[in-house]
Amino acid sequence: GQNIDQPTEMTATEGAIVQINCTYQTSGFNGLFWYQQHAGEAPTFLSYNVLDGLEEKGRFSSFLSRSKGYSYLLLKELQMKDSASYLCAVLDSNYQLIWGAGTKLIIKP
Amino acid sequence: GAVVSQHPSRVICKSGTSVKIECRSLDFQATTMFWYRQFPKQSLMLMATSNEGSKATYEQGVEKDKFLINHASLTLSTLTVTSAHPEDSSFYICSARDHGWDTGELFFGEGSRLTVL
Repeated sequence: GQNIDQPTEMTATEGAIVQINCTYQTSGFNGLFWYQQHAGEAPTFLSYNVLDGLEEKGRFSSFLSRSKGYSYLLLKELQMKDSASYLCAVLDSNYQLIWGAGTKLIIKP
Repeated sequence: GAVVSQHPSRVICKSGTSVKIECRSLDFQATTMFWYRQFPKQSLMLMATSNEGSKATYEQGVEKDKFLINHASLTLSTLTVTSAHPEDSSFYICSARDHGWDTGELFFGEGSRLTVL
């Protein structure tokens, strides 16, 4: 079966750095997405990785290792508004998006 | 970026009635739209893939006759929850992609929160 694993919840301090991991086992791979979702709102796009390596975009970076079936989302200089759920999703060989359950990130002052 | 608009954002209805939710791509043409359902503290669950001009493809376990999807134009898909019951109360979200997956993004509507009394 297809599976995406990410931690259920993480807590971090304002101004610090946090890394949210995602491991996947899917039938094929055509890219990995990270989305941010605030409570009661629809997800918003953060990043897309299809090649190995690190993609940096401002305070957010996303890393991919296809051989390890592993990705992480790195958030720097955490702000209170970063409190949200972070969803990892993989595009499989049929171009179907497989979603992780999401990681709820709690930022404390 | 591309914009997807969803309406209504909130709807409360009585059990047994039908509710229609609209999803529009405002500045691009979407041949494919996706309908998701999300229960509290859970991830997105794909309900169906809506294809312009053809029948929707439903995921396993989703009742076709209960969740009617119409994708009559390249900018509009509708989801109708027929004979709604309290267990259908959920957050329904549509999404669309502009061109191929290599653009790297799926655009989401604002979501519609359905409460069935």
